[in-house]
Amino acid sequence: DIQLTQSPSSLSASVGDRVTITCRTSQYVRNYLNWYQQKPGKSPKLLIFAASNLQSGIPSRFSGSGSDTEFSLTISSLQPEDFATYYCQQSITYPWTFGQGTKIEI
Amino acid sequence: EGQLVESGGGLAQPGRSLRLSCDASGLNLRNYLMSWVRQAPGKGLEWISDINSGSRTVHYADSVKGRFITSRDNAKNSLYLQMNSLRVEDTAVYYCASTVLALVRRFDNWGQGTLVTVSS
Repeated sequence: DIQLTQSPSSLSASVGDRVTITCRTSQYVRNYLNWYQQKPGKSPKLLIFAASNLQSGIPSRFSGSGSDTEFSLTISSLQPEDFATYYCQQSITYPWTFGQGTKIEI
Repeated sequence: EGQLVESGGGLAQPGRSLRLSCDASGLNLRNYLMSWVRQAPGKGLEWISDINSGSRTVHYADSVKGRFITSRDNAKNSLYLQMNSLRVEDTAVYYCASTVLALVRRFDNWGQGTLVTVSS
């Protein structure tokens, strides 16, 4: 199985901060890498697909980059509603796997 | 935007069975690969199964293979998860999610989840 390792596992930030989360995969996944946001008690929401494509309706302060085995999710200016847990996920091969999550706290 | 609604969760004893349903409105499931993803309390996300539109191809995670069965009824616009031989470690919120038929598969729409608790 392809392992996804996110760093950091958690971080503290303030409104207006620029935040970057990294996801490293144990095998080459080309650009088959997606990012999700999950708030407490809610279902996950797709933010970025295929490494760098913004899902419809997602604010432009979210962006994704990377390829092969190293990827990042950047929030250019953190907003109050962005405090949540973020997951990366690969879909190049079964079983589809997720990173362990990165929690962004105030 | 379409909506997915899971049902059928609850309390079950180890070794027993439960059947989850996922009903769609506002989107035609016939156009989607459908998945089940679960989340144990306080833990991360785990993909466990998916099924293609024509039900010809079903994939399972090793953790549920041989115990869980995924099926769908496109006429009813519904997805199902038959969970047999339940274990304590199957305790989780179970989400259904749709995947658009694109080159890079992603879970673009999620249900609200249904909680399954396995305990004696």
